[in-house]
Amino acid sequence: AQSVTQLDSQVPVFEEAPVELRCNYSSSVSVYLFWYVQYPNQGLQLLLKYLSGSTLVKGINGFEAEFNKSQTSFHLRKPSVHISDTAEYFCAVSGGGTYKYIFGTGTRLKVLA
Amino acid sequence: NAGVTQTPKFQVLKTGQSMTLQCAQDMNHEYMSWYRQDPGMGLRLIHYSVGAGITDQGEVPNGYNVSRSTTEDFPLRLLSAAPSQTSVYFCASSQQGANRYGYTFGSGTRLTVV
Repeated sequence: AQSVTQLDSQVPVFEEAPVELRCNYSSSVSVYLFWYVQYPNQGLQLLLKYLSGSTLVKGINGFEAEFNKSQTSFHLRKPSVHISDTAEYFCAVSGGGTYKYIFGTGTRLKVLA
Repeated sequence: NAGVTQTPKFQVLKTGQSMTLQCAQDMNHEYMSWYRQDPGMGLRLIHYSVGAGITDQGEVPNGYNVSRSTTEDFPLRLLSAAPSQTSVYFCASSQQGANRYGYTFGSGTRLTVV
């Protein structure tokens, strides 16, 4: 069975500071990993995904994530955040021949002026 | 390009009432799913479909029915609404091999059952 853990429910950070949102997964098979962003009162939007190959994945809006197989992690980073990055971020995992996703519980990023 | 369209955006139901949440996509995606989002619980899969005429249950299917008569439409029916079904509902679609491509989500339906 697969699972995803996002330990931080809320992360406050000042504008122009770096941020890291943590995601850990467990799986007995190879996985695909995703980050989604949800702005207030909207649906989820795909930020980036890891399928294979380079462990550093770049996504939209300046975000990137690094796949670490030994640590079973897929942390999301941005070197300098903006007020407009305030949103909820979800990590998701799929794999093992199923197309069903397992979503984490989300991390609410609040960027402070 | 409309993507995934959900209607209505908001709905208030009385306990015991039934209703249908509509979902339509114009991307010719084979895979479609319904999720519910509750605070602190992330997204939980209700039902999914891998193509017209094929549906299956997710992790929280009780109290909900689905059908998929066309590629474009995937309605979710609440049979007899209960307060525990108060939630935000998202429809999502993907190309074949959804686990590689990722989902396109609708903007959601906020449902309150009183």
